[in-house]
Amino acid sequence: NAGVTQTPKFRILKIGQSMTLQCTQDMNHNYMYWYRQDPGMGLKLIYYSVGAGITDKGEVPNGYNVSRSTTEDFPLRLELAAPSQTSVYFCASSQLTPAGSMGQYFGPGTRLTVT
Amino acid sequence: AQKITQTQPGMFVQEKEAVTLDCTYDTSDQSYGLFWYKQPSSGEMIFLIYQGSYDEQNATEGRYSLNFQKARKSANLVISASQLGDSAMYFCAMRRTGNQFYFGTGTSLTVIP
Repeated sequence: NAGVTQTPKFRILKIGQSMTLQCTQDMNHNYMYWYRQDPGMGLKLIYYSVGAGITDKGEVPNGYNVSRSTTEDFPLRLELAAPSQTSVYFCASSQLTPAGSMGQYFGPGTRLTVT
Repeated sequence: AQKITQTQPGMFVQEKEAVTLDCTYDTSDQSYGLFWYKQPSSGEMIFLIYQGSYDEQNATEGRYSLNFQKARKSANLVISASQLGDSAMYFCAMRRTGNQFYFGTGTSLTVIP
């Protein structure tokens, strides 16, 4: 049981390049999330998904796209990388119980630099 | 606007003492959840404790307890008997209706031997 895995761990992109950050969870969680964490700041929600085929925008979705074709995978796509997208990206998953008490399980993060 | 505020950028506590990390939130939702996460220097995010907006009792998880004051919209984290391994960043977060999450800017806790 690996939990939430993210690849790559580190990446340097040139301005205008594209890339996909991969996220996989093996806990059969319905909910998955993508966050970015800028230096000295909290996490901001980019996109989230409540199940396969369903995605929705979070607080900072501009410049990103997601898809959720399976329960396990939730890739995040950057189409035209900009320096403002330099950040640490976290993927997370959770399963909402009736009591709403389940916290999110986080992946180890991807450190992305755009130059 | 939905918002989480953590007003203490940094806190120090003596080992074995208790410490309270402050968190206030702003929402017009009736149903919401409040969470605390720990982020050690290694960078991973670790879930600590949860409080639902309809829960009448304060949540507790081992040495962690959440002091929930709904009328004041505060959800402070209390860590009892601090240990050196508690040194980390601590984030308060809110889940609002629709399952969106909002995080505060964090509090850096340093435990002094």
